[in-house]
Amino acid sequence: NAGVTQTPKFRILKIGQSMTLQCAQDMNHNYMYWYRQDPGMGLKLIYYSVGAGITDKGEVPNGYNVSRSTTEDFPLRLELAAPSQTSVYFCASSYGRTGNGNSPLHFGNGTRLTVT
Amino acid sequence: TQLLEQSPQFLSIQEGENLTVYCNSSSVFSSLQWYRQEPGEGPVLLVTVVTGGEVKKLKRLTFQFGDARKDSSLHITAAQPGDTGLYLCAGFSPITNTGNQFYFGTGTSLTVIP
Repeated sequence: NAGVTQTPKFRILKIGQSMTLQCAQDMNHNYMYWYRQDPGMGLKLIYYSVGAGITDKGEVPNGYNVSRSTTEDFPLRLELAAPSQTSVYFCASSYGRTGNGNSPLHFGNGTRLTVT
Repeated sequence: TQLLEQSPQFLSIQEGENLTVYCNSSSVFSSLQWYRQEPGEGPVLLVTVVTGGEVKKLKRLTFQFGDARKDSSLHITAAQPGDTGLYLCAGFSPITNTGNQFYFGTGTSLTVIP
């Protein structure tokens, strides 16, 4: 059982370049999330989705876009990379709305992105 | 602004020692979770607490939810090198009308020295 799979694991971008971070889950979870993790700041929610075709902004959405065409996939798009987007990005999924004791978050292993 | 503050931010102890990590907020949470994250991996859920004053034990780990549901603590007894990692608390707080009602703490990086 693969769980949540993220690709790539590492990426270096130049300022102004674009890229898509891929995320796929095989647990048939309705809810999917993108977080960024910066030292000493914990995890900040970028975007989330409650099901195919439905997405919404989290705490720090500026500079990112998402789509959810299928239940399994939730890609994150960076259009014009900036140094402030250097971070580790985590995709997660849950069966129900997170925070519910029966719906823990399942995380991928992250994508480490450096923008120079 | 951080809704959940954790302390200490870094902790380095010898194997066999006890330690406590704190997760504090001025807001009330309907539930709180603790995750552990190892280098190069995503966080993994350890426990969920939902009732004020609730205490849960997971082997050598004891989790407590404050009576007012604004804070939580994680106590590790006789720490082992395998406990090394980043510990994150996360709370569900329906305090806004936005969809984002789940917040992570700032994290505590624990190193247990053999």
